[in-house]
Amino acid sequence: GAVVSQHPSRVICKSGTSVKIECRSLDFQATTMFWYRQFPKKSLMLMATSNEGSKATYEQGVEKDKFLINHASLTLSTLTVTSAHPEDSSFYICSASLSGSINEQFFGPGTRLTVL
Amino acid sequence: SQQGEEDPQALSIQEGENATMNCSYKTSINNLQWYRQNSGRGLVHLILIRSNEREKHSGRLRVTLDTSKKSSSLLITASRAADTASYFCATETPYGQNFVFGPGTRLSVLP
Repeated sequence: GAVVSQHPSRVICKSGTSVKIECRSLDFQATTMFWYRQFPKKSLMLMATSNEGSKATYEQGVEKDKFLINHASLTLSTLTVTSAHPEDSSFYICSASLSGSINEQFFGPGTRLTVL
Repeated sequence: SQQGEEDPQALSIQEGENATMNCSYKTSINNLQWYRQNSGRGLVHLILIRSNEREKHSGRLRVTLDTSKKSSSLLITASRAADTASYFCATETPYGQNFVFGPGTRLSVLP
């Protein structure tokens, strides 16, 4: 149980285009989903917390207009990187929590974004 | 400033040896968690230790927490090549949904 999937696993896009990444909780309803970004050989940085049906809460320094998060259902959250640039290239990982607690999150496998 | 910082940043050991990784943090915490990440993959939760606990075990894993020194250690006993991965500590503070990962320790277990 507690499986979280992400799609796509890898995406390459041209600079200026937008990319959508999906995060799904497959066998449970996730009250809260979290989005992280990870640079090569670096740690994870929490970008935002999203609760179903409400606006995401972004961490300091994360541009909400750049990284659009939609959490339309209890099993799906999406992260859209708008007008992507090479510096947005990174590994994006989502996690989902049944209880809403950040202490009980299950991580997806990640999406590697490369912007040319 | 970084809340959780692991050391060493990289560690190479032979199969069968024990691996010890440390994590230090700066502020008060509710709990500390250790995660494992295989290269290019998501994270796997290993163990959570609460601020009022001092030691926890799970299989070959042993985690200690010293709140007076604001540090934790993860010990993997009898390491295997399959333990090769990056290990991260993450702290949850009392100040809202604040969850911070350290930079990680890259463990290589050589067969």
